Amino acid sequence: TQLLEQSPQFLSIQEGENLTVYCNSSSVFSSLQWYRQEPGEGPVLLVTVVTGGEVKKLKRLTFQFGDARKDSSLHITAAQPGDTGLYLCAGRYGGATNKLIFGTGTLLAVQP
Amino acid sequence: DTEVTQTPKHLVMGMTNKKSLKCEQHMGHRAMYWYKQKAKKPPELMFVYSYEKLSINESVPSRFSPECPNSSLLNLHLHALQPEDSALYLCASSHRTGGGTDTQYFGPGTRLTVL
Repeated sequence: TQLLEQSPQFLSIQEGENLTVYCNSSSVFSSLQWYRQEPGEGPVLLVTVVTGGEVKKLKRLTFQFGDARKDSSLHITAAQPGDTGLYLCAGRYGGATNKLIFGTGTLLAVQP
Repeated sequence: DTEVTQTPKHLVMGMTNKKSLKCEQHMGHRAMYWYKQKAKKPPELMFVYSYEKLSINESVPSRFSPECPNSSLLNLHLHALQPEDSALYLCASSHRTGGGTDTQYFGPGTRLTVL
């Protein structure tokens, strides 16, 4: 059962455009991570958000954790071809296990 | 240093072969993970080791056999695989399992092709 739904599933945009990726769940997470993955490579951690309502910025990327810690968003300003990749959110329940629940993924292509 | 290394980068094997995937980290992490990932899909958890002991096996077929010789190394032994086992195999590590905001760091993966 997939507990984290990402939208959109695919996104193809032109360089310079803005975009937002959503990660939604009915479950509450103790923390949520965003990863970016290029073809044939492992996921690279972008950010970890922990507190409900938290906003973190990483250059042109802005991450927000929902107030109830059930959802998150990733906003990219002025996308560049180097932003192309598979974006994955992953939630963690905490407690005795560190099992990550991965989102369904968003495949982004930024055309020059 | 947040590096997790994996070898080999690519592996092609027949269904009767025995091979091993290797993963190493020197961050002092005590939790290590194996994931399987199909193209354009999220990683699927296979195994979790905590303090060198197997703590989670996600009902993985016995043709996959994990091993954690010490706190820095994680192996995945492969035997009698099927073509549908072809995938990117990812290793990850984290400070520990449970509690807090523990973050998993991933290796670059091994691209496995079973003929």
